[in-house]
Amino acid sequence: DAGVTQSPTHLIKTRGQHVTLRCSPISGHKSVSWYQQVLGQGPQFIFQYYEKEERGRGNFPDRFSARQFPNYSSELNVNALLLGDSALYLCASSLRTGAVHEQYFGPGTRLTVT
Amino acid sequence: RKEVEQDPGPFNVPEGATVAFNCTYSNSASQSFFWYRQDCRKEPKLLMSVYSSGNEDGRFTAQLNRASQYISLLIRDSKLSDSATYLCVVNKKNRDDKIIFGKGTRLHILP
Repeated sequence: DAGVTQSPTHLIKTRGQHVTLRCSPISGHKSVSWYQQVLGQGPQFIFQYYEKEERGRGNFPDRFSARQFPNYSSELNVNALLLGDSALYLCASSLRTGAVHEQYFGPGTRLTVT
Repeated sequence: RKEVEQDPGPFNVPEGATVAFNCTYSNSASQSFFWYRQDCRKEPKLLMSVYSSGNEDGRFTAQLNRASQYISLLIRDSKLSDSATYLCVVNKKNRDDKIIFGKGTRLHILP
């Protein structure tokens, strides 16, 4: 069975550019959450989507946006990249919203901003 | 005060020993609690949920103390493969879900 998949695995961008990260949840999972993990820190919650609607948002600037598609896959967009946006971006899927105990993470996209 | 706090460690523990971590949370409205494990350069994986009554899974025991607002993880008979970062997770639900990870506690099991 396929787990959560994310693309790309690695990405290098320069300051001011825009980036789109993609996530495909486990088949049957309707909720997708996005996290940012800076080296040496725990994951920080960015967004949660369920049935294409935003169900939770962390303390991130408006440069960060996301959406969920009818097939439950999701995109995370970051505009006007800053050096501080360099991090591992993790996507997690679950059957339903708030189901942290059923949450499975993808391998992440490692973003480097130069 | 941070919403979820953990001792970052590292905890250097000989194989076979017992080790315990605590995690404190600041918001009394927090509803559910979890421990995740993260190996170096890998994604986090759920280790166990934490219930008020406490729960045990093999060598691992988790406890929740709502009055003092902390959760704990006890690992007995530690193995080399237990070396990892252990992340405390709190789910706070008001109108929406807010899932908060601690910074993690690094554990090194020494042969």
